[in-house]
Amino acid sequence: KNQVEQSPQSLIILEGKNCTLQCNYTVSPFSNLRWYKQDTGRGPVSLTIMTFSENTKSNGRYTATLDADTKQSSLHITASQLSDSASYICVVSAGGGSYIPTFGRGTSLIVHP
Amino acid sequence: GAGVSQSPSNKVTEKGKDVELRCDPISGHTALYWYRQRLGQGLEFLIYFQGNSAPDKSGLPSDRFSAERTGESVSTLTIQRTQQEDSAVYLCASIRGLVAASSTDTQYFGPGTRLTVL
Repeated sequence: KNQVEQSPQSLIILEGKNCTLQCNYTVSPFSNLRWYKQDTGRGPVSLTIMTFSENTKSNGRYTATLDADTKQSSLHITASQLSDSASYICVVSAGGGSYIPTFGRGTSLIVHP
Repeated sequence: GAGVSQSPSNKVTEKGKDVELRCDPISGHTALYWYRQRLGQGLEFLIYFQGNSAPDKSGLPSDRFSAERTGESVSTLTIQRTQQEDSAVYLCASIRGLVAASSTDTQYFGPGTRLTVL
């Protein structure tokens, strides 16, 4: 069964600090991994997309890494801002023509001033 | 508008009533998904539409759930005889491409409909 596990479940940091969120998956065959940001009361918004051959992808202060051998990904947020407070969701898609992605439960990040 | 829109944004209903949720995808997007997001849970796939092909209904939790989409336009998700366990946020997403999840095309999500069944 395809699964995506995220940790930590929740995280509180001070504004300006860095943080790293983790994602482990058991999706086969692997096609791509996405990180989404979901603000409260809003739909998820894509931050990064990585395929098998990509190790790192950046989007401003967000940097995602992928280790396809260990089936792990991380999302690093640099110099956090209050607006980074949101849920961050890891989503893994399988290949072979599959079109139903597998979603993690998300990490809830709160950035305090 | 440029994004995916959903209506209503909030819906409170009594147990046993029917509800209809609406999704307007981005114009020209061929694929459309419905998901359910329960509190503290990951998004749960419900149904997938691709152009005029037969939809994939494998994620619908019971026969009380149904959805329709005409071509590449509006979709409606109907829940009959609602139960308290149906309370959740229902999200719609659309994708431009033909092969959705296994391509790098991004899913664009609507803001969701928060359904509360009393």
